[in-house]
Amino acid sequence: DIQMTQSPSTLSASVGDRVTITCRASQIISSWLTWYQQKPGKAPKLLIYKASSLETGVPSRFSGSGSGTEFTLTISSLQPDDFATYYCQQYNDYSIFGGGTKVEIK
Amino acid sequence: EVQLVQSGAEVKKPGESLKISCKGSGYSFTTYWIAWVRQMPGKGLEWMGLVYPGDSDTRYSPSFQGQVTMSADRSTSTAYLQWSSLKASDTAMYYCARHVDATAALDYWGQGTLVTVSS
Repeated sequence: DIQMTQSPSTLSASVGDRVTITCRASQIISSWLTWYQQKPGKAPKLLIYKASSLETGVPSRFSGSGSGTEFTLTISSLQPDDFATYYCQQYNDYSIFGGGTKVEIK
Repeated sequence: EVQLVQSGAEVKKPGESLKISCKGSGYSFTTYWIAWVRQMPGKGLEWMGLVYPGDSDTRYSPSFQGQVTMSADRSTSTAYLQWSSLKASDTAMYYCARHVDATAALDYWGQGTLVTVSS
């Protein structure tokens, strides 16, 4: 079974910081890699699909990259609205989410 | 406007059955898979499976196969998630979301249904 490991699990950062979250797969996966943002008490929100495509309406400070087994989500300049938990998701015959990365205020 | 509206919170006892719903609107309900996602209290997201309202085809995560049943009613644009015998460990928030085949992403989400199982 494919495992998806996100790191770090928690990240402390300040407004304006560049933030990078990594998602590693236990085996080579296709580019069906998606990133979501979730705030407390809310449903997740789609940010990036197919590893690097920005969902309509998502600010351009969010970007995704990677292939094979390692994928990254980057926030170029962290804004107050970005403090949240981020999840990666891979899809093959079925889907798995990563464990999540909580971005906290430093 | 695409919307997925889920049924309200439920409080059940262990061993009871339950069926929660997810009603879609604003798009062609029969041409997109609906995913179900579990989030246990304070924990991460878990993908449970997909149901295709067009023909009621289903795909389950191995972790949830045999534990739940997914279905859909084309006539009411509603997808369902059901349990025949709830356990305390089924206590969680359950989300439905629209799965886009072209991207394998979940682009629209319901507001979630909180299921509490307690004696």
